Amino acid sequence: SQTIHQWPATLVQPVGSPLSLECTVEGTSNPNLYWYRQAAGRGLQLLFYSVGIGQISSEVPQNLSASRPQDRQFILSSKKLLLSDSGFYLCAWVDRTGFQETQYFGPGTRLLVL
Amino acid sequence: GEDVEQSLFLSVREGDSSVINCTYTDSSSTYLYWYKQEPGAGLQLLTYIFSNMDMKQDQRLTVLLNKKDKHLSLRIADTQTGDSAIYFCAVYTGTASKLTFGTGTRLQVTL
Repeated sequence: SQTIHQWPATLVQPVGSPLSLECTVEGTSNPNLYWYRQAAGRGLQLLFYSVGIGQISSEVPQNLSASRPQDRQFILSSKKLLLSDSGFYLCAWVDRTGFQETQYFGPGTRLLVL
Repeated sequence: GEDVEQSLFLSVREGDSSVINCTYTDSSSTYLYWYKQEPGAGLQLLTYIFSNMDMKQDQRLTVLLNKKDKHLSLRIADTQTGDSAIYFCAVYTGTASKLTFGTGTRLQVTL
C-alpha cells in the first residue's frame, strides 16, 4: 500500500534561517505531488505542485521554493525564513486511479518561525 | 477560478446529526471530497462524490450534492465526540486540473 512521510514533524526556526522540509512517498511511482500551507485557524493554500522529476509549478509568489530530485521525493525550502512562514505544511500525492484525482495527505510539519 | 465556501463553526450534541455545508462556483467540477483533520494531524479522506451522483452513503456519512445550486453537504448521523475535528470540502475541476479546498468547518461535539 502507499504511504506518505513528512520530516520533521515539528520545527522551530529563527527568522532569517534556512528551511528544508522533506516529503517522501512509498508504494507508487510517478505520483503528482503537492505542498500546501495551513496558517493557524485557516484553510489550505496550495504552494507548489509537481508532475515529475524536476518539474515544479508555483501557485503563489513567496519566500519558498520546491524541488523534486527523485520521483518520490518532494522538498520545500527557503533561504531565509520570515515570521509569516509559520504554519502547518502538508504534502499530498494524487492517486490517479481512473479520473478521481484523489489527494492523500501526509502527517504534516508544524513550523514556527520566531 | 474556483471558489469554495464553508461556514467556520458548528456545534452539536452527542447523538444528534451534524450537517456541514459547502458551496462552490465552478459548474464543471467533477469530483467533490470531504476531508477530516484532527488536531495536529494531516487530512484524512472521508468520502467523495462524482458530479453525476446526487447522494452517497457510507455508514454514518451521507453526502448530498445539488448541482443546480452548487451545494454539497456532509451529514454525520449519531455524532460522537470522536467526530470533533475540522472538516474540509474540496472540489476538483478538470479544466484547471486542480483541487480547491474550502476554509474548513470546525465541528464541536458536546455532551
